[in-house]
Formats: sequence, C-alpha cells, structure tokens
Amino acid sequence: QSVMTQPPSVSAAPGQKVTISCSGSGSNIGTNYVAWFQQLPGAAPKLLIYDNNKRPSGIPDRFSGSKSGTSATLGITGLQTGDEADYYCGTWDGSLTSYVFGTGTTVTVL
Amino acid sequence: QVHLAESGGGVVQPGGSLRLSCAASGFHFSDYGMSWVRQAPGTGLDWVAFIRSDGSTTHYADSAKGRFTISRDNSKNSLYLQMNSLRVEDTAVYYCAKDPTPSHEARGPSSYYDSWGQGTLVSVSS
Repeated sequence: QSVMTQPPSVSAAPGQKVTISCSGSGSNIGTNYVAWFQQLPGAAPKLLIYDNNKRPSGIPDRFSGSKSGTSATLGITGLQTGDEADYYCGTWDGSLTSYVFGTGTTVTVL
Repeated sequence: QVHLAESGGGVVQPGGSLRLSCAASGFHFSDYGMSWVRQAPGTGLDWVAFIRSDGSTTHYADSAKGRFTISRDNSKNSLYLQMNSLRVEDTAVYYCAKDPTPSHEARGPSSYYDSWGQGTLVSVSS
C-alpha cells in the first residue's frame, strides 16, 4: 500500500479547475521534491510536473504544482476532455530507501 | 529523442522466472540511473528497483528484495530485471524509467523520472 494518499477521483465541467492533493510524510514530501505524472487510458505514465512546480517542455501552463510541508497539490485549469486521465504524485522516500507514488486520482471531465 | 523499449514479458507459472529487458536509445545510457516501475491491472504505480549509471548502487522495493535483480549492460544500452520465484501478485505491466540527471551530477536519488517506456506485460498464473 502507498505511503502517499490522493483522493480517488475528482471531476469538473470543461473549462473549470480541479485540484488534486497528495499527502505524505516527513521522509518523503517533507524532505524531497515532488513530481506529478499523467497516465492517459492505455498509455504509459508521462512526466507532468517536477521539482514541485516546474513543467517539462511541452506541458501547458494550465498544469501547476505546489508543495507545503508534507503535502503537495496539482492544479489543472481550463479543463479539457483530453485531460481525462489518472494522475500520480511521486517522490523519493529516505526512510524506505525507495521511490514512492501516491495512490492515484482519476480526473473526469463532466 | 529518448526511446525506451521493454521486452521479455509473458505468461509464467507461480514459482517461475522471467528476465525483462529495456533497450535504450537517444541519450547517453551509461550516464543515467534507471528504474523499473510496475502497474498491476486496475491499480496504481508501484516502484520496483533502481540502478545507478555504473551499476555500483541498487535499491529494491521490499516486495522485490531477494527475488528480483536489476542489472545493466552499458555496452548494449540495455537494462534488465531478472525475476525469480514469481507470485500471482507480480502480475503487472512493467515499465523502465530514466533518471533526469546524470548520476555523477545528481546530489542523491532522483525525485522523478523524465522518460518512460511503453511497458511489457507479465502474467503469473497457473
């Protein structure tokens, strides 16, 4: 079972905003940068956000990340049908000496 | 550009073995740490193992310790995962993933992976 918790699902209408929380602990989010990955249906995961709030080349600024203490948040504005996917937070856990992913959140565009 | 291609998946009986491969191209493979991540059907991502660029350091998830071995052949730009004593719960799609920073420049374990392969399916069933 994951050591980082996300809500199972979030939803909103096209054009609206959603936020996804990721709750961890001092040994993971509390001491390391957080990344977010997007997994479209039937596809491999793709890096969306790294170092808490940075976007790789090609990722639109509708996607944003933030971190405070032992929690992180992914925000998606101007929601589009193409954003329907599973989203995972991830980081290194120094106590477990392993990489850890959040439980995952499914985004649905109503 | 970076390309990672996994192979070697298939159907195996409980207690059996399988060796996965990941062929890398588009970057200087021998500079980068690599990891294996798996995803059981209908579930989330589950990190399996990591190997440093030169193979000097490895880390394993508790579920993999003692059964799985990660290795690499930098002369062949290839990453491997030897899986022994396979269990039904090892059934998953296995992805290889690349560190973003060369190992000699990294300050510690990476907090993200910047490239992923398409995955190979391992099914453990009697």
